[in-house]
Amino acid sequence: QVQLQESGPGLVKPSQTLSLTCTVSGGSISSGGYYWSWIRQHPGKGLEWIGYIYYSGSTYYNPSLKSRVTISVDTSKNQFSLKLSSVTAADTAVYYCARIVVVAATQIDYWGQGTLVTVSS
Amino acid sequence: EIVLTQSPGTLSLSPGERATLSCRASQSVSSSYLAWYQQKPGQAPRLLIYGASSRATGIPDRFSGSGSGTDFTLTISRLEPEDFAVYYCQQYGSSSITFGQGTRLEIK
Repeated sequence: QVQLQESGPGLVKPSQTLSLTCTVSGGSISSGGYYWSWIRQHPGKGLEWIGYIYYSGSTYYNPSLKSRVTISVDTSKNQFSLKLSSVTAADTAVYYCARIVVVAATQIDYWGQGTLVTVSS
Repeated sequence: EIVLTQSPGTLSLSPGERATLSCRASQSVSSSYLAWYQQKPGQAPRLLIYGASSRATGIPDRFSGSGSGTDFTLTISRLEPEDFAVYYCQQYGSSSITFGQGTRLEIK
């Protein structure tokens, strides 16, 4: 059973960089057929895709966030990470890491529990 | 970017009734790339349907998906108390992912 767990600061100051890590257990990030993704949900709102990475390092980002987002992968630790720069209060949200299946169909089959990140001074 | 519009925004029904949720895309979506999720308060979303009509592992057969092109539907044949939640559709296209804004299914 694959499990994903987000970790990182729950409070970030405005203009700083939000950094989160997702640790994957029960499966290898290096196995093909999956993208590893970050998705966020503003309080009481819907889901917003941030971006995803393949184990090789190829990345794809939401155009609306692309200028501020970096997703990286560390296959030796079975982890992938999110950095979101120049944050404002509008970046306050629950951040989920997730696995996207890309064989034959494309769906998000495993999610982390989510971590609330608040942007405030 | 493909925009997904879900309707209705809120659906009020009673246990035992049939629920029909709609997801309309701003341009054609491959059926292989349309999925549905259920989210309960304080929880991560759960995959229900992928490839427009295939049930995910462990999902009861009262959940079914259908549709093609720009119009997709999630049907819950007989509502159980645990089905009252928010439902999202999601598409993948041109290396990008978008979600609908969600339909809240509430107890009448």
